Amino acid sequence: AQSVTQPDIHITVSEGASLELRCNYSYGATPYLFWYVQSPGQGLQLLLKYFSGDTLVQGIKGFEAEFKRSQSSFNLRKPSVHWSDAAEYFCAVRRGGFKTIFGAGTRLFVKA
Amino acid sequence: SAVISQKPSRDICQRGTSLTIQCQVDSQVTMMFWYRQQPGQSLTLIATANQGSEATYESGFVIDKFPISRPNLTFSTLTVSNLSPEDSSIYLCSVEMGFREAGELFFGEGSRLTVL
Repeated sequence: AQSVTQPDIHITVSEGASLELRCNYSYGATPYLFWYVQSPGQGLQLLLKYFSGDTLVQGIKGFEAEFKRSQSSFNLRKPSVHWSDAAEYFCAVRRGGFKTIFGAGTRLFVKA
Repeated sequence: SAVISQKPSRDICQRGTSLTIQCQVDSQVTMMFWYRQQPGQSLTLIATANQGSEATYESGFVIDKFPISRPNLTFSTLTVSNLSPEDSSIYLCSVEMGFREAGELFFGEGSRLTVL
């Protein structure tokens, strides 16, 4: 069955430090991959997406993600974290039938 | 992009009652989805609601418990029936836009339901 795995339930990084959030997927075909962010008390917002082409995709707020087919991964990165990045991050896969499946999420804490 | 309004933003309901959540989109959309986010959990797809047809429910969700209406291309409702404390969750409406944004979901801010 198709699935999305985010192995880290929560991560704490210092402000200004780099960040990498992990995401692995299980899907038979070339997937559509997404990262969404959910800030406290707010709805979900798309950070970036991958459909095809260049495997390194740029998103909003300085985030990027790299698709690695050989590792079935789509990790999210940011070179320098800001305190406002503290939020819940969800990796998602769009399956056939127009259904999007979300990972369990990784909560990011930023310390001063 | 799309702007999605959900009502109510939050509610507290008694066990055994029902709650209907409304979702209004500022443009016509074909694909509309209802998700549930239980406390501290990820999003789980409840059903896909397309205008002019019956909603398609995911495994574990049934129409008697979660009836959905989709009367036109800008509006949908989700009813959570016969409420129990286990239904306490955030319910999210989302839509998928056209080809240029294929696959991207836009979300409402959610409806937080607490069942006593």
